[in-house]
Amino acid sequence: NAGVTQTPKFQVLKTGQSMTLQCAQDMNHNSMYWYRQDPGMGLRLIYYSASEGTTDKGEVPNGYNVSRLNKREFSLRLESAAPSQTSVYFCASQSQGFSYEQYFGPGTRLTVT
Amino acid sequence: AQSVAQPEDQVNVAEGNPLTVKCTYSVSGNPYLFWYVQYPNRGLQFLLKYITGDNLVKGSYGFEAEFNKSQTSFHLKKPSALVSDSALYFCAVRDIGDSSYKLIFGSGTRLLVRP
Repeated sequence: NAGVTQTPKFQVLKTGQSMTLQCAQDMNHNSMYWYRQDPGMGLRLIYYSASEGTTDKGEVPNGYNVSRLNKREFSLRLESAAPSQTSVYFCASQSQGFSYEQYFGPGTRLTVT
Repeated sequence: AQSVAQPEDQVNVAEGNPLTVKCTYSVSGNPYLFWYVQYPNRGLQFLLKYITGDNLVKGSYGFEAEFNKSQTSFHLKKPSALVSDSALYFCAVRDIGDSSYKLIFGSGTRLLVRP
């Protein structure tokens, strides 16, 4: 039981390049989330998927797209990377049952030069 | 709109002393409240939650938190700090009525426990 996994762990991009961050969970959770973490700003929600087949914008969606590929996988795509997207990205998942907490992956550290 | 405030960027405490990390929240309805801890270069780990019931909730590693509805606070406490408690702590809130299950996080408080 790996929990929430993310790939890659580190990535350096040049401005304008694209990439996809991958996230998978093996806990049969319905909801999945993408956050970015910046110093002094806590975690900000980029996109979320309350259930398979649905996605919605969070607080800071500009410059990103997501795909809920199936119940396990939720990917985040940067179509044209900008230096302002330099951040640490976390994926999380949550059951819709009584356990209300979210479970987080180890993060992807992205630098855009 | 939902929000969470962690008024202290850093809390310093000596090992063996009690610690408190402060959190206040704002939601339109009733809250679900959470504390997470982040060690360097790691993801967030769940510590404890308040859903309903007893206002004092106990969690992992000897931490506890007290829900105070009148003061809209959910402060994290530990009777005796350890050096290994040094980490970044996040408070988070969810409005019970929000069917998206979104969490709103505070900006984080760095806890430094000195030997």
